[in-house]
Amino acid sequence: EVQLVESGGGLVKPGGSLRLSCEASGFTFRTHTMSWVRQAPGKGLEWISSISSSSTYTYRGASVTGRLTLARDNAKNSLYLQMDRLRVEDTAIYYCTRSGFDCTSTKCDNNWFESWGQGTLVTVSS
Amino acid sequence: SYALTQPPSLSVSPGQTASIPCSGETLGDFSSSWYQQRPGQSPVLVIFQDNKRPSGVPERFSGSRSGNIAALTISGAQATDDAVYYCQVWGPYSPVFGGGTTLTVL
Repeated sequence: EVQLVESGGGLVKPGGSLRLSCEASGFTFRTHTMSWVRQAPGKGLEWISSISSSSTYTYRGASVTGRLTLARDNAKNSLYLQMDRLRVEDTAIYYCTRSGFDCTSTKCDNNWFESWGQGTLVTVSS
Repeated sequence: SYALTQPPSLSVSPGQTASIPCSGETLGDFSSSWYQQRPGQSPVLVIFQDNKRPSGVPERFSGSRSGNIAALTISGAQATDDAVYYCQVWGPYSPVFGGGTTLTVL
């Protein structure tokens, strides 16, 4: 059974930083593109970033470009999201997801989000 | 950037067919996926590549795409299908989700 377990959420002040982690199990982590999708309270889903299986390609959404570092450690079956200069509007549940197929170029068209974790809540407030 | 448009809400009676549309310029060029999110839960993939169902998703869920419109159809809707449904496309620049449709079965 695929399991994705996020951690690292919490309360942080505007301008601060946070590092989220996602521990994966139940599948061959090193062969899958992984992504983060967030959901602000009472709002819809927003993709923020993806990373290919061997970290060759990373993709970032416009709302977080320049403030985000995405990394993975295939030996530890783990995905990481470092977010800096946090804003109030970054308040959301952050979901770790596994994509349908591995991205092998600068584009990853027609992909989808096959499995989702339970999410970790990030609250940015003074 | 581009947008996917869904109706905010839809209501059907148990046993009826619910059809949720998703429109967008790029739907003519890229395949669509659909996610179900029940209250307080994480999203779950119910349709990918326009019309494929992941293992474990009931057969009453089906998907289609024609031109710039994709649709999720739930045949014989049940109370357990009460949820928000999101369409999604990946391409040409990045993944995008529709705004979500709240389906009420009562």
